[in-house]
Amino acid sequence: DTGVSQNPRHKITKRGQNVTFRCDPISEHNRLYWYRQTLGQGPEFLTYFQNEAQLEKSRLLSDRFSAERPKGSFSTLEIQRTEQGDSAMYLCASSLARGPGNSPLHFGNGTRLTVT
Amino acid sequence: DQQVKQNSPSLSVQEGRISILNCDYTNSMFDYFLWYKKYPAEGPTFLISISSIKDKNEDGRFTVFLNKSAKHLSLHIVPSQPGDSAVYFCAARNGYQLIWGAGTKLIIKP
Repeated sequence: DTGVSQNPRHKITKRGQNVTFRCDPISEHNRLYWYRQTLGQGPEFLTYFQNEAQLEKSRLLSDRFSAERPKGSFSTLEIQRTEQGDSAMYLCASSLARGPGNSPLHFGNGTRLTVT
Repeated sequence: DQQVKQNSPSLSVQEGRISILNCDYTNSMFDYFLWYKKYPAEGPTFLISISSIKDKNEDGRFTVFLNKSAKHLSLHIVPSQPGDSAVYFCAARNGYQLIWGAGTKLIIKP
């Protein structure tokens, strides 16, 4: 168990550019979640996969955001035409299928995005 | 619409004493509540959880109490240790989602 791995740790980009983040979950975990956290707030849910299927998306996830988990293992989160309001910490978490109450989420250390 | 609230942004406690972190919620449909701890530059780490059908869950130095009628839960840490200094988040389960509070920064003084 090497934990949830996220890359890159930091990303600075100019407004209007596209960025992609990667998450490698704990290997036996079939659920994968993306959250976003801004300063002074708790994480906000973005989207969730069970295996390769994207089962739920928050209304926070505008059409500029897309997430994939093509083989049910790692996942990518892409933001197109970045805006300054996208600056945040993007957190990935994984869990077993029993759900976040009785199978707690394990988080990666996040990717901090700064849009200038 | 803040469904989960942590009204104390920070809390300072003497080492060895009890730390009590509070959380209030508005949605009576939440069925699980969790506490996470976060150090700077790291992701949140799960601490302890409680089902909505229980009123207390204990794990070592950590105890979570749930008062459903008041829609209130609290995390007790006793005795507090320097390594407990971190931001503590309360989260509530709604389907596949966790709804999070804004966090309380706990500072343990020597």
